[in-house]
Amino acid sequence: TQLLEQSPQFLSIQEGENLTVYCNSSSVFSSLQWYRQEPGEGPVLLVTVVTGGEVKKLKRLTFQFGDARKDSSLHITAAQPGDTGLYLCAGYSNAGKSTFGDGTTLTVKP
Amino acid sequence: DTAVSQTPKYLVTQMGNDKSIKCEQNLGHDTMYWYKQDSKKFLKIMFSYNNKELIINETVPNRFSPKSPDKAHLNLHINSLELGDSAVYFCASSLALLGTEAFFGQGTRLTVV
Repeated sequence: TQLLEQSPQFLSIQEGENLTVYCNSSSVFSSLQWYRQEPGEGPVLLVTVVTGGEVKKLKRLTFQFGDARKDSSLHITAAQPGDTGLYLCAGYSNAGKSTFGDGTTLTVKP
Repeated sequence: DTAVSQTPKYLVTQMGNDKSIKCEQNLGHDTMYWYKQDSKKFLKIMFSYNNKELIINETVPNRFSPKSPDKAHLNLHINSLELGDSAVYFCASSLALLGTEAFFGQGTRLTVV
């Protein structure tokens, strides 16, 4: 079973601060996705990374896929209250099976 | 128009009952999924269907039986409900099985009392 561990599990910061969320595994993934989930809603895709070492930017969010395709990070610059939510990483095997991380709950206080 | 819609949104039922959750997607996707999210927000895949065929069946009790009458629908029937089945169940769809974007429904919060 492929496991994905996210850290930290909970993060509470002030508006304007920077933060990084990590997603780690001992398994290699063919691709990795980051989702954001708000209360009462389903997860919504933020980004897909495919190539080892790949870096993608989405406004204030920067995503990186590890060189060995076993880990990933999400960095948010100048966090805003609207960034509050549950962040989930999901790794995909070559067979198409998805494994979700255990989630990072982010609270950004105004 | 909601891309992936599931009904009901809330379901409260007694132990031992049988219940179904319905899911429909209007995105023209080939692949549909059922996920279970527990109270700790851990999201775990239960089933994957591709073109109405079961592709992935995780270690799920056989009380859970998915049915896909066509590519746009994937329903989940649960027999003999147990307290531990209480969770939020998400339906999702994607263009293909291999790591493409999954679009999730709003979830069905199942409470077994």
